[in-house]
Amino acid sequence: KAGVTQTPRYLIKTRGQQVTLSCSPISGHRSVSWYQQTPGQGLQFLFEYFSETQRNKGNFPGRFSGRQFSNSRSEMNVSTLELGDSALYLCASSLGDGSYNEQFFGPGTRLTVL
Amino acid sequence: AQTVTQSQPEMSVQEAETVTLSCTYDTSESDYYLFWYKQPPSRQMILVIRQEAYKQQNATENRFSVNFQKAAKSFSLKISDSQLGDAAMYFCAYRSPGAGTASKLTFGTGTRLQVTL
Repeated sequence: KAGVTQTPRYLIKTRGQQVTLSCSPISGHRSVSWYQQTPGQGLQFLFEYFSETQRNKGNFPGRFSGRQFSNSRSEMNVSTLELGDSALYLCASSLGDGSYNEQFFGPGTRLTVL
Repeated sequence: AQTVTQSQPEMSVQEAETVTLSCTYDTSESDYYLFWYKQPPSRQMILVIRQEAYKQQNATENRFSVNFQKAAKSFSLKISDSQLGDAAMYFCAYRSPGAGTASKLTFGTGTRLQVTL
C-alpha cells in the first residue's frame, strides 16, 4: 500500500507570492492533517480535514487555508508569503478523525521563501 | 490547552546500550493518548509507540518501551539495545480523546538522539 505522498517536495518562492501544496493520503484514509515544522516553533498544527470538511484549525493567520476533495486528497494554500513561512510542511492521514486512529506522515514539502 | 515538554534537546547512546528519553505534559483531561514519533534525517515521521491514558500497563514495541506515570504526567521512552538506525529526532506528542475539534496532535520540541559505535 502506498504511503502518504506530498508534492512538490521542494519549493522556492518570493515574498508576496502564493503557494499551493498537495497531499495524497493513504488509500482508504479519510482524514488529512497539516503541520508546519520550523526550527524556532517546532511542529505546529495547521488544520485537519475529514470528509471534505475542516474539523479543526490551528492558530495561524487567514493566509493559510486548505481544502479536501472527494477522493480525500488535500491541498493547502498560503497567500502573500512571508519570510517566516519558510518551513517543512507535513501532511498526515488517518482512517478516521478519532483520536485513536494512527496518523501516517508524508515526507513533507520544504518551502523556502526568499 | 495542553503542553508537551521535552527537556533533553540532545542525547547520545552507544550502540547496544539503553537510553531513556524524557517527556512531561500538562493537561486537565483524564483520558488522552500519548505518542512517541521518530523523524530520521530523511524527514519522514513514523510512529514508534502509543499509550492510551486509561491503560495502566506500559506499552511495549520490540526494543521500545514507555514508562507512563499518569499522576506525574510523565511519559518517557526507553530504547534498549540501541542501533545505528535509531539515530533520529524523537518527538513526544499528546492527543485529546474524541473526534473533530479534539483531534490534533500537540508535539514537544524534540530530542535528537545520536548513536555512537
